[in-house]
Parts: sequence; structure tokens; C-alpha cells
Amino acid sequence: AQSVAQPEDQVNVAEGNPLTVKCTYSVSGNPYLFWYVQYPNRGLQFLLKYITGDNLVKGSYGFEAEFNKSQTSFHLKKPSALVSDSALYFCAVREKTGGFKTIFGAGTRLFVKA
Amino acid sequence: SAVISQKPSRDICQRGTSLTIQCQVDSQVTMMFWYRQQPGQSLTLIATANQGSEATYESGFVIDKFPISRPNLTFSTLTVSNMSPEDSSIYLCSVGETGLSYEQYFGPGTRLTVT
Repeated sequence: AQSVAQPEDQVNVAEGNPLTVKCTYSVSGNPYLFWYVQYPNRGLQFLLKYITGDNLVKGSYGFEAEFNKSQTSFHLKKPSALVSDSALYFCAVREKTGGFKTIFGAGTRLFVKA
Repeated sequence: SAVISQKPSRDICQRGTSLTIQCQVDSQVTMMFWYRQQPGQSLTLIATANQGSEATYESGFVIDKFPISRPNLTFSTLTVSNMSPEDSSIYLCSVGETGLSYEQYFGPGTRLTVT
């Protein structure tokens, strides 16, 4: 069965500092991996995805994530955090051969302090 | 990407009543999904709505409680029936297009409060 773990309920970082939001996953086959962001009172927005190829993927708003197959991780990173990055971040996984059903992690709330 | 709208954006309902949530997409899509999200929590998939066939429900969700319609490739409705306070949640419509993209796009959500 597919599962996603986001071990941190909350991440606090100062503006201008690098940020990392952690995600590990479990699937029986090869995964598609995603990050979504949710701002207050809004739906989820797609940030980036890993499908195949280069393990480092870049997405919207300067975010990037690195797929690590041996550690089954897909951590979200940004070199320099902005206050406007404060939001709820969801990691998600889907098996390549598992149809379109996507499993979402519990979410990590990011607070960026000015 | 798809632009998705939902109606209503929020509602306060009395227990025992039903609410129908509408989801409209600005382009034709193969797959539409309905999720439930407790405030500040993760998403739980209720069902997958495919045009021309019955919706597929996830474990713990049944058609009598959450009937879904999908009359065409741009529109779907979710009804929350015989509501109780436990149904208070945010309901999200989402779309995906197999074979063309991999990510999903989400509507703004419907915030439901049952009193």
C-alpha cells in the first residue's frame, strides 16, 4: 500500500534562510511524487513533480525537491525563504502502475518569520 | 492547467439536511475527484467521478451518503446527505488528465459547517 510521511507538523525558519520540508514515501513500485501548497482559505496549488529522469526537480516560486530512491525521500527545499512562503505544504505519491489515485501526506505548516 | 470553480464557497447547514456542491472546470477532463479536508489536516479521497460511469468510492464512503453526478466532462456535483456535525469539513473538487499530465488541480473548496 502507498503511504506518505511528513515527519514535521511545523517548520519555522527566518526569512532569507534556506528551508527544507521533509517527505518520505512508501510504494510497491516506482513512484510519481508531488508537492502541493495550500494558502489560507484556498485550494491546493501544484508546486512541482518528479516523474522520471533528473533527481533534482525545480518548480514554482523558487522551490525544488530532490528524489532519493535509496532513502525513499522527496524533500522540498528553497535556498532563501520568504515570509510569503508561509503556508501548508503537502507531499503526495502515486504509483506509476496504480492508476490515478494519489495519497497525500498529513501536511507541514511552514512559518517564515521576518 | 485547469481552472476550477466550486459553489457554494461556504455554507452553514442544519443536521439532517443535504447540500449539493457543484464543481465546474474550464476544460474537458477525464477524471474528477472529490476530497474531504478537515481544517488544517490532510486530504481524504471520497470518490473518483468518471463521465459515463458510476463513481468509485473509497473505503469508508458510500453512495447513499455522498451521491455524485458527472453529466459531462466539465461538471460534477457532490451531495452530502443527511448531514451531521461530523460532516463539517472542507470539500475539494480536483481534476486530472491521464496520459497528458500527472499533477492534479484543485478547486478553492467548499467550507461546510453543520449545526
